[in-house]
Amino acid sequence: DQQVKQNSPSLSVQEGRISILNCDYTNSMFDYFLWYKKYPAEGPTFLISISSIKDKNEDGRFTVFLNKSAKHLSLHIVPSQPGDSAVYFCAASGDKLVFGAGTILRVKS
Amino acid sequence: NAGVTQTPKFRVLKTGQSMTLLCAQDMNHEYMYWYRQDPGMGLRLIHYSVGEGTTAKGEVPDGYNVSRLKKQNFLLGLESAAPSQTSVYFCASTSQGIGNQPQHFGDGTRLSIL
Repeated sequence: DQQVKQNSPSLSVQEGRISILNCDYTNSMFDYFLWYKKYPAEGPTFLISISSIKDKNEDGRFTVFLNKSAKHLSLHIVPSQPGDSAVYFCAASGDKLVFGAGTILRVKS
Repeated sequence: NAGVTQTPKFRVLKTGQSMTLLCAQDMNHEYMYWYRQDPGMGLRLIHYSVGEGTTAKGEVPDGYNVSRLKKQNFLLGLESAAPSQTSVYFCASTSQGIGNQPQHFGDGTRLSIL
């Protein structure tokens, strides 16, 4: 039973446009949500997080939105750059960190 | 800045062989974790440690053992490798456990079991 789901295996976006990556979860007890970015042959690196008591957190080009009633969060990247091409993992924190399967983002120049 | 270092980076084993994956961190972190990443399944927690001398089971612990004899090192052992253990293994560490403390990951060990 996957508690954290990223239903889009891949996403392709034109450079300069907005990238929206989505994540759904089932456990209402998660208290933090995190996004990690992963390049090939490297480990995941932390990107941005949000507390369950907030609905938005922004850091430069990256904004995460949380909709608790829908158990849904999304990561917005504006403007998208070719260097953003990577795998993005959504993760939810309770007593453990639970990861989604990841979304491959390709930003075309 | 080394951060989290995993050795080896690649390894091919035959079924039934044993091996140990080493994870070393230089950030004085208390918590360390071993994950495996398989296609379409994200990262799954194998074992973790909340401090020197402690270990605990994660989501998929069967077939693996771990040890945390020194604070900076976390070892993952496969006593009798099986093809189902073919995967990419990631080690991570953090200072204060879960919550909003991001985990710092190594670059992974790609393990193939023939």
